[in-house]
Amino acid sequence: AQKVTQAQTEISVVEKEDVTLDCVYETRDTTYYLFWYKQPPSGELVFLIRRNSFDEQNEISGRYSWNFQKSTSSFNFTITASQVVDSAVYFCALFSSGGYNKLIFGAGTRLAVHP
Amino acid sequence: GAVVSQHPSWVICKSGTSVKIECRSLDFQATTMFWYRQFPKQSLMLMATSNEGSKATYEQGVEKDKFLINHASLTLSTLTVTSAHPEDSSFYICSARDRTSGSYNEQFFGPGTRLTVL
Repeated sequence: AQKVTQAQTEISVVEKEDVTLDCVYETRDTTYYLFWYKQPPSGELVFLIRRNSFDEQNEISGRYSWNFQKSTSSFNFTITASQVVDSAVYFCALFSSGGYNKLIFGAGTRLAVHP
Repeated sequence: GAVVSQHPSWVICKSGTSVKIECRSLDFQATTMFWYRQFPKQSLMLMATSNEGSKATYEQGVEKDKFLINHASLTLSTLTVTSAHPEDSSFYICSARDRTSGSYNEQFFGPGTRLTVL
């Protein structure tokens, strides 16, 4: 079965705090892809990152970083020095052939960054 | 980058009427488009996969007679909500896969359409 779990429903932080959003996935496929999307209040999904299962290197993009660990089936997302503009719902998603080549989304984590 | 548009961005209609939502790939051709539904404070749920020139494939539990999908060209897919009822009120999002992309897993999302049925 293909599944994505984002256990944190809502997170509230004060500006400049670091925050980590957890994502745990389940798949039996050896080849798969993991994604993170941001959905601001406007509703439009913003693509943040795609990672394939053979690339376990962590990635940093500005204040954003991602930690991919196959051993724990996790693909966590950290925002450093959070800003009010980071307030949004963040979705982790899984794509694999075992999932019939469809994107399977987690439930999402709502992040509120307060000034 | 690849751009997907949706029209309208929001619509309010009376119960019992039909509503058509358009999804267009603006700068690429899409043999496959996807339709998602998102209820407030919930995740995206795939409704159907739309393939150009053929019938859409619906997910389990989605009524194909209620949610009509037409993908008549490589840049346009439409979702028609027939005889809409208040429980159909939701945020509908489409995505498209670039036919020339070597990344089969890559989808480009539209901005969404908010449907409110009174």
